[in-house]
Amino acid sequence: QVQLVESGGGVVQPGRSLRLSCAVSGFIFSSYAIHWVRQAPGKGLEWVAVISYDGSNNYYADSVKGRFTISRDNSKNTVYLQLNSLRAEDTAVYYCARVSQALYSSSFPLDYWGQGTLVTVSS
Amino acid sequence: DIQMTQSPSSLSASVGDRVTITCRASQGITNYLAWYQQKPGKVPKLLIYAASTLQSGVPSRFSGSGSGTDFTLTISSLQPEDVATYYCQKYNSAPLTFGGGTKVEIK
Repeated sequence: QVQLVESGGGVVQPGRSLRLSCAVSGFIFSSYAIHWVRQAPGKGLEWVAVISYDGSNNYYADSVKGRFTISRDNSKNTVYLQLNSLRAEDTAVYYCARVSQALYSSSFPLDYWGQGTLVTVSS
Repeated sequence: DIQMTQSPSSLSASVGDRVTITCRASQGITNYLAWYQQKPGKVPKLLIYAASTLQSGVPSRFSGSGSGTDFTLTISSLQPEDVATYYCQKYNSAPLTFGGGTKVEIK
């Protein structure tokens, strides 16, 4: 069955870095774009970034542009989100999610989500 | 960027009531609109896509409508298991912006 499993969260000081991973199984990973969505404690969902199925295109929310980098390793069925220059407002559960249609980065909704990994930015 | 505005931000209704949530896009997005349900402590779940198409396995009491800038999620007969926060999302192009959410409770 389709599974996405996030890891790499934790407590980190402001200004420091963290790398999140999203390991997937149960589908042809190299055919699907993957998104990251975050949710601050008690708040709504915020779209963060997307990487295309082949890694050739990516897009970021303005709130993270220039600080976060999304990448993927299709040989390891894993997507990464590098979080640099972290701020208190980056504290959130980070989810990775799959686009429902192969080969598309957008134009289709997110049908499978991981359980999320919590990032806490605090001194 | 296109903004997504949901209303109301919360509502309380009785079991069996008809519940309606609205979502407005700041620019037209044709029907590239999804609705997600997030129960307390759980992962978001896709309910409806293409504004009105029910995802497989979703109960038929859920329905969606709209096109362009104005969209609606309707629960025809509210059930206790529908207690959740509901989000709309536009997905025509990045950024895939979410609405602020509507928290649904039982009266």
